[in-house]
Amino acid sequence: QVQLVQSGAEVKQPGASVKVSCKASTYTFTNYGINWVRQAPGQGLEWMGWINTYNDYTKYAQKVQGRVTMTADTSTSTAYMELRSLTSDDTAVYYCASGPVGYYEKSGYYPEYLQHWGQGTLVTVSS
Amino acid sequence: DILMTQSPDSLAVSLGERATINCKSSQNVLYRSNNKNYLAWYQQKPGQPPKLLIYWASTRESGVPDRFSGSGSGTDFTLTISSLQAEDVAVYYCQQYYTTPVTFGQGTRLEI
Repeated sequence: QVQLVQSGAEVKQPGASVKVSCKASTYTFTNYGINWVRQAPGQGLEWMGWINTYNDYTKYAQKVQGRVTMTADTSTSTAYMELRSLTSDDTAVYYCASGPVGYYEKSGYYPEYLQHWGQGTLVTVSS
Repeated sequence: DILMTQSPDSLAVSLGERATINCKSSQNVLYRSNNKNYLAWYQQKPGQPPKLLIYWASTRESGVPDRFSGSGSGTDFTLTISSLQAEDVAVYYCQQYYTTPVTFGQGTRLEI
């Protein structure tokens, strides 16, 4: 059974950075991409971006582009999401989710559906 | 970006009755080269991460009860729960993965 275990809750001051980890087990890490999705309190789901763990190709949502970096360590089957210059609007539960990777001839690799999810990491930004 | 709009925002259905949730995309999510609709459905219960129910618009994920079904093509999709059970109370989201950014509907809250 696929497991994604995320790091614990974080409290950060405005302007700081946070790095959330997502450790995968019981599957071949490089066979699936890792997406990062966040959910503000009482709100819906917002896709932040994706990393193709096979070749480290990343795609970020425009809203966080320039502030986010997604990486993957294949030696430990762990993905990371770092978000910088935090504001109160970044307060949310952050989820990692693994899923199949598709391929378009014209545009290359892309994320498909989000098949397995981590338990979530609450990041609170407050002074 | 492709806008996903679900209807209704909330829904109350009696136990054993049918529940229907609609999802409309602002652009076509059917890829004609493989005739697949790049549309998934998720269920989220309070305090839990979302759970994949349906992908490719109508393929049920392993372990998902067969009372859940997905239909539709192009821009209009439907999630149907044929006979509502108490454990189906949740928020349901549709999602397109036809193009990045991946986008979700706003969610539909299903109650008894």
